[in-house]
Amino acid sequence: KAGVTQTPRYLIKTRGQQVTLSCSPISGHRSVSWYQQTPGQGLQFLFEYFSETQRNKGNFPGRFSGRQFSNSRSEMNVSTLELGDSALYLCASTTTGTDGYTFGSGTRLTVV
Amino acid sequence: GESVGLHLPTLSVQEGDNSIINCAYSNSASDYFIWYKQESGKGPQFIIDIRSNMDKRQGQRVTVLLNKTVKHLSLQIAATQPGDSAVYFCAENINSGNQFYFGTGTSLTVIP
Repeated sequence: KAGVTQTPRYLIKTRGQQVTLSCSPISGHRSVSWYQQTPGQGLQFLFEYFSETQRNKGNFPGRFSGRQFSNSRSEMNVSTLELGDSALYLCASTTTGTDGYTFGSGTRLTVV
Repeated sequence: GESVGLHLPTLSVQEGDNSIINCAYSNSASDYFIWYKQESGKGPQFIIDIRSNMDKRQGQRVTVLLNKTVKHLSLQIAATQPGDSAVYFCAENINSGNQFYFGTGTSLTVIP
């Protein structure tokens, strides 16, 4: 079956702009989590959605937001981009959220 | 001020040797653990998991050991191959919650 699909794979944005990243989970998976990965901070949890509801949120500013649609697809949005937002953004899906993640390949965001 | 990045532990092994990657965790309520492998340019890939009611689990060429007394997890890779070169992360889940906490990772290099 198809894995977790993230689009786009690469993105270059300018400071102050906003960006939307997309994640399509594995069919049947209702939980989608987002992580930011940087060399300096490792894998940092952003938020988790289950059945269109945000169940858990990490310690990121309000510029980072997300949502989940009825088909379990999820998007995350970052507004007013800063240079420090440059990172690999990973999406992971599971059936319930408490079992092991399946990750997508990530979206590499570069802010210039 | 100067930012301090993560110093990724590294491990170099000869092809054919066994590898042992270690991970310490701090929360005694952690009850589910997963090892992930991340190759360059890809998202983390599930390798093996273990629940806190077990102390050992084996997969194909991999074994995970859990020592709850000292809060320590290890991943053993038998007959390490060049394709095993990657960064390995341990992840823990606390009280069957819907968030996983990732370690800093260990970079494994296999020398042919």
